[in-house]
Amino acid sequence: GAVVSQHPSRVICKSGTSVKIECRSLDFQATTMFWYRQFPKQSLMLMATSNEGSKATYEQGVEKDKFLINHASLTLSTLTVTSAHPEDSSFYICSAREGGTGVHTGELFFGEGSRLTVL
Amino acid sequence: SQQGEEDPQALSIQEGENATMNCSYKTSINNLQWYRQNSGRGLVHLILIRSNEREKHSGRLRVTLDTSKKSSSLLITASRAADTASYFCATTRGGGYNKLIFGAGTRLAVHP
Repeated sequence: GAVVSQHPSRVICKSGTSVKIECRSLDFQATTMFWYRQFPKQSLMLMATSNEGSKATYEQGVEKDKFLINHASLTLSTLTVTSAHPEDSSFYICSAREGGTGVHTGELFFGEGSRLTVL
Repeated sequence: SQQGEEDPQALSIQEGENATMNCSYKTSINNLQWYRQNSGRGLVHLILIRSNEREKHSGRLRVTLDTSKKSSSLLITASRAADTASYFCATTRGGGYNKLIFGAGTRLAVHP
């Protein structure tokens, strides 16, 4: 199946710093990627939809200036947590839908997740 | 809330037993999918059932969908210790990007 790579898998940073997480589709193009956040023993909460070549669409309650998303190419989306605080510590997971514009198979491929710990 | 309800939240069974997990959702859907997540890992797609389907099988998995009750169930037969994981249902709604919205999940523990 299609492979989605996330990097880094784990990151620890100091409060106030910014952290960038990359999401790459390795063997397919993805015009749309999704970013989720997951707290321990909880479900995945959709944060935003990342669209290649345009601005991301954020879910209600997600701060755009806090979580910067860039989808610069058909295979790469990045999530930058700006001025991170301990409450931003979480498991961040990206997913990508195979197919170019207008093609939606319905199945998403997920990265392995990135665990962020803010001290 | 983004999430639908899933029950039970946690399920503990012995190897060989069947495991049934339920999921309910609130709005009309295009399809419903079940995913599996091992602890601290990404998600693995298990099965997709479309809104016009009522039942689907894949190996030891059986999924049902009742759109009138806005609910679905996932049955894992003859469970194995390796089935220990969290299981999530997710629904796709209409719209240009077909966002996937996840249920609360069921944590399944299968004991040898």
